[in-house]
Amino acid sequence: AQSVTQLDSQVPVFEEAPVELRCNYSSSVSVYLFWYVQYPNQGLQLLLKYLSGSTLVESINGFEAEFNKSQTSFHLRKPSVHISDTAEYFCAVSLNSGYSTLTFGKGTMLLVSP
Amino acid sequence: DTEVTQTPKHLVMGMTNKKSLKCEQHMGHRAMYWYKQKAKKPPELMFVYSYEKLSINESVPSRFSPECPNSSLLNLHLHALQPEDSALYLCASSQDLALAYEQYFGPGTRLTVT
Repeated sequence: AQSVTQLDSQVPVFEEAPVELRCNYSSSVSVYLFWYVQYPNQGLQLLLKYLSGSTLVESINGFEAEFNKSQTSFHLRKPSVHISDTAEYFCAVSLNSGYSTLTFGKGTMLLVSP
Repeated sequence: DTEVTQTPKHLVMGMTNKKSLKCEQHMGHRAMYWYKQKAKKPPELMFVYSYEKLSINESVPSRFSPECPNSSLLNLHLHALQPEDSALYLCASSQDLALAYEQYFGPGTRLTVT
């Protein structure tokens, strides 16, 4: 079975500072990887995904994540955060063969302050 | 149209009430999902429907009763709930079960059981 670890439950940063949210996964087979964002009192939105190809994936709002197979990681980064990026971020994994739904990490709350 | 809609947005019900949550998608997706999300926690899968048939029940208590009347609609019938059932209930859909990793989420229904 696969699992996801998000070690940081909360990450406080100042506006315009860079940020990295860490995600490590465990699986005996190949996986797909995802980052979802949940703004306060809202549902989950897919931020970005890695299915295959380039290991660096980017979102339209400046976030990027890099799939590192040797370190089994998929860390999320942004060079300069905004107040509006304050949200809960969930890393998720799915097996890339057969039927497999999403396994979520526990989430990281990104708190951006002025 | 890549939208999953859920109604109502908020619901307050007593422990003896019967209520229903509704989820709708018009993307032609044939797999639909119900999740329960407690505060500061990741979503927990409850039910999965594939081609209008229940495929997965994650040992959910019988006071939760799902229904998929057609390929676009998913209901969750609630009866005799407990206060600990208060949570955000999320609906999601994917093209089919083989693509269960690529889910689109609705905004959720915030349920409070009094």
